[in-house]
Amino acid sequence: DIVMTQTPLSSPVTLGQPASISCRSSQSLEKGDGKTYLSWLQQRPGQPPRPLIYQISKRFPGVPDRFSGSGAGTDFTLTISRVEAEDVGVYLCTQATQFPFTFGQGTKLEI
Amino acid sequence: QVQLVQSGPEVRKPGVSVKVSCRGSGYTFTTYDIHWVRQATGQGLEWMGWMNPHTGNTDYAQKFQGRVTMTSDTSINTAYLELSSLTSEDTAVYYCARAPFPSDFWGQGTLVTVSS
Repeated sequence: DIVMTQTPLSSPVTLGQPASISCRSSQSLEKGDGKTYLSWLQQRPGQPPRPLIYQISKRFPGVPDRFSGSGAGTDFTLTISRVEAEDVGVYLCTQATQFPFTFGQGTKLEI
Repeated sequence: QVQLVQSGPEVRKPGVSVKVSCRGSGYTFTTYDIHWVRQATGQGLEWMGWMNPHTGNTDYAQKFQGRVTMTSDTSINTAYLELSSLTSEDTAVYYCARAPFPSDFWGQGTLVTVSS
């Protein structure tokens, strides 16, 4: 199974300031079709996960452009350009390149 | 609009099975695979497997092989997750999600509590 490792696990942030979360996979997430199936999810307590980013850097509809993704191969980053109060929650990376799909442990973003 | 609506909370004793449903609406149900993911309280997400409602094809995570069954009833646009030989470690919220994974379309979650 592909192991997804996130750092940090907890991130105190300041409103209006940038924040970034890293995710490393135990093997390359580039699939034979040339695409890299690395996504980022946001989860608030009591709610299902909300996808933010897919294929490293593509935003889902309705996701604010302050969220951006970057990286390649085995190293990926989610960046929030200016943190807003509503961004508090847990952020997870996930890979859908190889079964079984796997998730990072989650990074708790707190103001 | 696309919606996935899951069945309500369940309480089971160890050793028995549970069946959770996930009804899709707002799209052609047979066109998209359904994935199942679970989350124990305070823990991370765990992918359990997927099924194709049109063909019935499935693929389960090895961890759940022999204990999990994913089925569907296309006449009522509903997918099912059945997990047998329950233990306390199966206490979790179970989510269905429409493909491609991860998509914007998740069920609200079903809490399954396993307790003697």
